[in-house]
Amino acid sequence: DTGVSQDPRHKITKRGQNVTFRCDPISEHNRLYWYRQTLGQGPEFLTYFQNEAQLEKSRLLSDRFSAERPKGSFSTLEIQRTEQGDSAMYLCASSLAGYENTNYGYTFGSGTRLTVV
Amino acid sequence: AQKVTQAQTEISVVEKEDVTLDCVYETRDTTYYLFWYKQPPSGELVFLIRRNSFDEQNEISGRYSWNFQKSTSSFNFTITASQVVDSAVYFCALSEEGLDYGNNRLAFGKGNQVVVIP
Repeated sequence: DTGVSQDPRHKITKRGQNVTFRCDPISEHNRLYWYRQTLGQGPEFLTYFQNEAQLEKSRLLSDRFSAERPKGSFSTLEIQRTEQGDSAMYLCASSLAGYENTNYGYTFGSGTRLTVV
Repeated sequence: AQKVTQAQTEISVVEKEDVTLDCVYETRDTTYYLFWYKQPPSGELVFLIRRNSFDEQNEISGRYSWNFQKSTSSFNFTITASQVVDSAVYFCALSEEGLDYGNNRLAFGKGNQVVVIP
């Protein structure tokens, strides 16, 4: 297993366009998290899935954002009608439910850097 | 609500010097977990250390050590004999263990940019 993969690594889009990012977690991990990291800040929680169920969404996740994990494996994060304020690094992490607070913890991907121009 | 504060922003040290990063946290939970992560320029967050709220024993792991003090809600992290490869952003993070062992999301501080000068 090569860890958590995110695609694309970089995305430049014009304001108003829709974008979609993909995250492939570690195969045996049943939880998948999305975080957003703006310049000079720490990552902020957006949403998480356990298997295919989206169990929690942050208030940061506006109606323009939608995330799916259709078969409990990979996940997609879509942003509709992008705004300049959406420019950030979008990080995905996966874990085994209940083991996040152990030394196995989370495994993070390298992120997708979005620039909205 | 969870909150993590890392006061310093950028810290520069000369190679082989020690560097200490400060972290202060806020939580209402009695059971919680504290982490330090490293974020190199490639972007991924790399787990370094973890401590739970009922174990204040401070430890050393290789060149890393930490000082956890519940009385001051601090979880400071030290890199001993720094190396150029230690140059990165370091994040302190907090996870609360809810009653239903549900979402163990992490609350991160703003991070410290560490620059090790050869």
